[in-house]
Amino acid sequence: KNEVEQSPQNLTAQEGEFITINCSYSVGISALHWLQQHPGGGIVSLFMLSSGKKKHGRLIATINIQEKHSSLHITASHPRDSAVYICAVRRPGNQFYFGTGTSLTVIP
Amino acid sequence: SQTIHQWPATLVQPVGSPLSLECTVEGTSNPNLYWYRQAAGRGLQLLFYSVGIGQISSEVPQNLSASRPQDRQFILSSKKLLLSDSGFYLCAWTDGASYEQYFGPGTRLTVT
Repeated sequence: KNEVEQSPQNLTAQEGEFITINCSYSVGISALHWLQQHPGGGIVSLFMLSSGKKKHGRLIATINIQEKHSSLHITASHPRDSAVYICAVRRPGNQFYFGTGTSLTVIP
Repeated sequence: SQTIHQWPATLVQPVGSPLSLECTVEGTSNPNLYWYRQAAGRGLQLLFYSVGIGQISSEVPQNLSASRPQDRQFILSSKKLLLSDSGFYLCAWTDGASYEQYFGPGTRLTVT
């Protein structure tokens, strides 16, 4: 069993829809990261969370430490949001473990 | 500002050949450095990480090795590549304060 599980694996949405991607983990963590990987392969960090909620533009990330669960929300989705979204957890020894990613396609 | 370089961008190598991928970071000192592999259709797998020169931790036993000869240089090597070594290799760094992770552009390796 992977330490980090994401759902759904694939997601197709119409432009403007509200999108939620979920991440559950089974190990103790120092922080949780949400990453975005574009078709060319490049990865950028969206959020790093250790508690509560963070917002950046149309993106919102939340984490519930007790339930070992995090969600990434995209409001008013746009085709340029199409990418793979990856949840990663940082263990206390500073190793990172990754979910398999959620492939999002937003249709105009 | 900090920059992370990886080369080459793409590589096609025959089975049994050696491998050397290089990663360098600019604009920071004493970074934590990481090598990851992403096989087709799979998630990122941590291969090695380093908290300092000459300090390498291996996560997955395999025919790959890593070295950190300088503070901001991280090298991934193999003496003999296997078909299963094909994938997208990413180098990343974090600083010791924020632990925000920054990724290089990656190397796409195809072993034939």
